[in-house]
Amino acid sequence: AQSVTQPDIHITVSEGASLELRCNYSYGATPYLFWYVQSPGQGLQLLLKYFSGDTLVQGIKGFEAEFKRSQSSFNLRKPSVHWSDAAEYFCAVGDTGGFKTIFGAGTRLFVKA
Amino acid sequence: DAGVIQSPRHEVTEMGQEVTLRCKPISGHNSLFWYRQTMMRGLELLIYFNNNVPIDDSGMPEDRFSAKMPNASFSTLKIQPSEPRDSAVYFCASSSDLYGYTFGSGTRLTVV
Repeated sequence: AQSVTQPDIHITVSEGASLELRCNYSYGATPYLFWYVQSPGQGLQLLLKYFSGDTLVQGIKGFEAEFKRSQSSFNLRKPSVHWSDAAEYFCAVGDTGGFKTIFGAGTRLFVKA
Repeated sequence: DAGVIQSPRHEVTEMGQEVTLRCKPISGHNSLFWYRQTMMRGLELLIYFNNNVPIDDSGMPEDRFSAKMPNASFSTLKIQPSEPRDSAVYFCASSSDLYGYTFGSGTRLTVV
């Protein structure tokens, strides 16, 4: 069965600093991988997705993620964080046999001035 | 497009009462998902539908929970009777493919 691990429960970065959120997955085949963001009181919003092709994918709001099969990782990055990026971020893996998506526990991002 | 629409946004009910949560997916999306989010358990998939047919309800916690999708534009999640441990945020999401979901804003349920 597929699973997703986000090792960091929360991360604090300074505004303008770079960001990397870690995600490791377990899946037998080529996975469908996603990053979502959730602002307080809101639903989840899709940031980016990977299912094949170029291992570096670009998303909305200046985010990117890199798929590394050898490390079973799909880390999310942003070169310069803005205060509005403070939110919870979820990594997810999709079941290619159906439509089930399994979400990680989330990483809460705090941005300090 | 108005996105995935959930109602109500907030629901406070007494233990033992019936609760019905509603969802209108995005037009043209053929898959619909119900998730529950709590601090302790994170995001849990309860049930999902494809073309209005329930495909997997293995995440439904117990018989008190039921979900229906009578047509492509409407789904309900019902809890009867409700219990305090059902308090959570319930999300509906829809999708037209394997490449990501659109979530609603959720229903915050409090059972007292």
